[in-house]
Amino acid sequence: GDSVTQMEGPVTLSEEACLTINCTYTATGYPSLFWYVQYPGEGLQLLLKATKADDKGSNKGFEATYRKETTSFHLEKGSVQVSDSAVYFCASRENRDDKIIFGKGTRLHILP
Amino acid sequence: GAGVSQSPSNKVTEKGKDVELRCDPISGHTALYWYRQSLGQGLEFLIYFQGNSAPDKSGLPSDRFSAERTGGSVSTLTIQRTQQEDSAVYLCASSPGAYPAQPQHFGDGTRLSIL
Repeated sequence: GDSVTQMEGPVTLSEEACLTINCTYTATGYPSLFWYVQYPGEGLQLLLKATKADDKGSNKGFEATYRKETTSFHLEKGSVQVSDSAVYFCASRENRDDKIIFGKGTRLHILP
Repeated sequence: GAGVSQSPSNKVTEKGKDVELRCDPISGHTALYWYRQSLGQGLEFLIYFQGNSAPDKSGLPSDRFSAERTGGSVSTLTIQRTQQEDSAVYLCASSPGAYPAQPQHFGDGTRLSIL
C-alpha cells in the first residue's frame, strides 16, 4: 500500500545551521505532498504543500520540492532558529480517495 | 475561532470504562478524519467520513472503537472498555473534501490517559 517514510529523529542542530529532513513516498498514482509541523504543546498545522511534480512548496523559510523521479519531498531550510524546534510530519494524499498518509514524524531540536 | 474544535482536551479514566471524544469540524468541511498519536509513534489513521458516511474504517484498531457523524458536522469517537494501550492523543481533522489536494486542518487533540 501507499506509505511515507521520513528520517528518524531526533535531529539536533545549532542555530543558523542548514537543515534537511528526508521524506520519500510510495504511491500508485500522483499524490499531493505535504509537510505538517507540531510545535510543543500545540496541534498540527500545515507548513507547506506541493500538488504536482517539480512544484516547490515554501513557507517560513522552509522549502520542499516534489521530485517524481526520486519519489521524494525533502524539507530544507538554510538557517534554522530555536523557534523551529518542533516535530515535522511528511504526508501524502492520493487525490482519488482523500485519505492522507503520514510519516512517523521527525523531532527537531535547535540549540541556541 | 473558526478552527477544528475537540473536546475534552484531556481525559483521564479507569481501565474498562467507556469514553467519548468529540470533534467539531470547520463549518462547511465535508470530510472529517480521526487519527491517533501514541507516545513515540507517528500518526495512525483511524477513520474518515465524507458527509455522514464512513467509506474507510480500516484504521479502527478493534471493535471496541466506533465513530459516528451526524448532520454532516460533529463527530464522536467512542472507545468501549478502554485498555491502557488506548492511551494516546486523538486528533481530528477536517477538509473541504470536494477538491483535490486539500490539506487537512487539525484540532488540538484530546489527550486520553487510561489508568
